[in-house]
Amino acid sequence: DAGITQSPRHKVTETGTPVTLRCHQTENHRYMYWYRQDPGHGLRLIHYSYGVKDTDKGEVSDGYSVSRSKTEDFLLTLESATSSQTSVYFCAITEDGGTYEQYFGPGTRLTVT
Amino acid sequence: SQQGEEDPQALSIQEGENATMNCSYKTSINNLQWYRQNSGRGLVHLILIRSNEREKHSGRLRVTLDTSKKSSSLLITASRAADTASYFCATVSIQGAQKLVFGQGTRLTINP
Repeated sequence: DAGITQSPRHKVTETGTPVTLRCHQTENHRYMYWYRQDPGHGLRLIHYSYGVKDTDKGEVSDGYSVSRSKTEDFLLTLESATSSQTSVYFCAITEDGGTYEQYFGPGTRLTVT
Repeated sequence: SQQGEEDPQALSIQEGENATMNCSYKTSINNLQWYRQNSGRGLVHLILIRSNEREKHSGRLRVTLDTSKKSSSLLITASRAADTASYFCATVSIQGAQKLVFGQGTRLTINP
């Protein structure tokens, strides 16, 4: 998976609790992305980063925040998890600022009860 | 809304047959990419075609792009059971938005 890991791989949490997902890369790529994947919706972009401390919102950013204090780590935080945030979350990276070809992590399955 | 829309949503064929999947998009693009996702795994990049290209090949994969119709097709020839997966198209806007927009995918099943 191109030197990209996600943790945890599985998590079950209760509504209203905060949750942080971590994406770690060893490729020193500039761009990092967080997606969620739900049946019938494909992949939808939550937030992305184009450098340390440089982030921007994606299509479905409400209820999520991100931070990137180091090139290798991109954190996704659900401040107060809701059942609608039950999903599979994927992190992706890209180096090439021209084609934006992306490499994906293995995913985190999050269940909010 | 999703930029790319795949058609069909699901496709089931016999091993050895060719599989064709189509993707339509809405705005002007810099490039279009195809990805494969095996069940329970992350997406894997297959092939990229730039807006000034009309056709591209990679092994058993053939991709075409028609910018006038805002559509692309992915052909997998001589399919194998291992090709069973979901396939997604993704586009990069000509405006250089630093991100991909994915379609909903085609679920391909190859029957032995």
